[in-house]
Amino acid sequence: AQSVSQHNHHVILSEAASLELGCNYSYGGTVNLFWYVQYPGQHLQLLLKYFSGDPLVKGIKGFEAEFIKSKFSFNLRKPSVQWSDTAEYFCAVKTNQAGTALIFGKGTTLSVSS
Amino acid sequence: SQTIHQWPATLVQPVGSPLSLECTVEGTSNPNLYWYRQAAGRGLQLLFYSVGIGQISSEVPQNLSASRPQDRQFILSSKKLLLSDSGFYLCAWSIGTVNTEAFFGQGTRLTVV
Repeated sequence: AQSVSQHNHHVILSEAASLELGCNYSYGGTVNLFWYVQYPGQHLQLLLKYFSGDPLVKGIKGFEAEFIKSKFSFNLRKPSVQWSDTAEYFCAVKTNQAGTALIFGKGTTLSVSS
Repeated sequence: SQTIHQWPATLVQPVGSPLSLECTVEGTSNPNLYWYRQAAGRGLQLLFYSVGIGQISSEVPQNLSASRPQDRQFILSSKKLLLSDSGFYLCAWSIGTVNTEAFFGQGTRLTVV
């Protein structure tokens, strides 16, 4: 069964700092990859997704992620964070087969100070 | 457009009492449906998922069960709650094909006392 590892439990940054959150998965076949974000008091929202094609995926709010197949990684990046990016970020993987479920990592809490 | 409704938003139940959380999806047919539990530092743990009426897959043995009595209705239940059942429960749905993301409800905060 697939699993997802997020390396950073809690990241603290100042505004304008660059962000990279690590995500690795374990599954040998074709996967769909996702980053979800949960802002304080809000429900989970999709930040970006990768199904196929260009391994560099751009999402909402200036976020991007790069799929590196050889490393089984899908790291999330943002060149310059804002205070409003304070949230919990979840990486998720789903095998490319109908009827399978999203498997999530444990999440990374990002705190951005102004 | 599709919407997902999950209720109640918060629930406080005594140990040993039964549980029923309901989730419904509107605007789509034959969705895949999921129940997750979110705990601090543990991410989202997949509890159950369903690809059709009466078809339930359980991911983690526990004190909970799920049912799908109608195409767009997914119910999470327990006959007798334990303290360890406290947590934040999320329902989600996705289109029943490959290359789709999941959409989440607002969640239910369950506190077992």
